[in-house]
Amino acid sequence: GALVYQYPRRTICKSGTSMRMECQAVGFQATSVAWYRQSPQKTFELIALSTVNSAIKYEQNFTQEKFPISHPNLSFSSMTVLNAYLEDRGLYLCGARRRGNSDYTFGSGTRLLVI
Amino acid sequence: GQQVQQSPASLVLQEGENAELQCNFSTSLNSMQWFYQRPGGSLVSLFYNPSGTKHSGRLTSTTVIKERRSSLHISSSQTTDSGTYLCALESGGNYKYVFGAGTRLKVIA
Repeated sequence: GALVYQYPRRTICKSGTSMRMECQAVGFQATSVAWYRQSPQKTFELIALSTVNSAIKYEQNFTQEKFPISHPNLSFSSMTVLNAYLEDRGLYLCGARRRGNSDYTFGSGTRLLVI
Repeated sequence: GQQVQQSPASLVLQEGENAELQCNFSTSLNSMQWFYQRPGGSLVSLFYNPSGTKHSGRLTSTTVIKERRSSLHISSSQTTDSGTYLCALESGGNYKYVFGAGTRLKVIA
C-alpha cells in the first residue's frame, strides 16, 4: 500500500535555530508533495506545493527563505524551518500524491515545539 | 479562493447514536477527502469522494456537487470514533487542498 513516513515525529528547537524535517513516500512515486502546518487550535494551512520538474509554489504568508523545500526525487522531500520562533510551533504534515491520482496520502507529521 | 465550512464545530454523542457531519464549500469541486485526525495529529484518509455516495463499514460519505456540500455519516458511534474529522477539497485543478476547521467528536459510553 501507499505510505508516507515523516521524520522526526516530534522535535524541540531553541528560538532562532533551524530544524529540518523529512518526508518519505513508500510504495508509490510522489509526483506532488504538499507541506502543511497546523498551528495550535487551528486547521491546516498549506505552506507550499512541490511537483517534480516544476517550481515549488509557496502560499501567501510562507516563503522559500523561511521554509526551503527540497524534492529531489519521486520518493523524498524535506523542508527546513529556518530561524524558528514561537509562532512556528505546530504540526507539520506532508501529503504526497501520485501521478494520475487526485487524492493525497499524508504522513503522521512532525510536531515542532520552539522554546 | 475556496472556502470550506464544517459543521458542527463540536459534537458529543452517547455511544450507539448516529452522527452527521457537514462540509460546505463555496466554489466548484475537483477533489475532496474526509480525514480523521488522531489525537497525536496524524491524518487517516476515510474517503476520497468528489461526488456521489461511498460506504465503508459504519461510515458513509455523500457529496452533492450542485448543492456544494459533502456529509459524513457515522452510524452506531463508538467511543473509539472520538477525535477530529476534517474535510479537505481542491477546486482549481492545482492539487492544493484547502482544509475545513474540523468537527471535534466526542463519544461517551
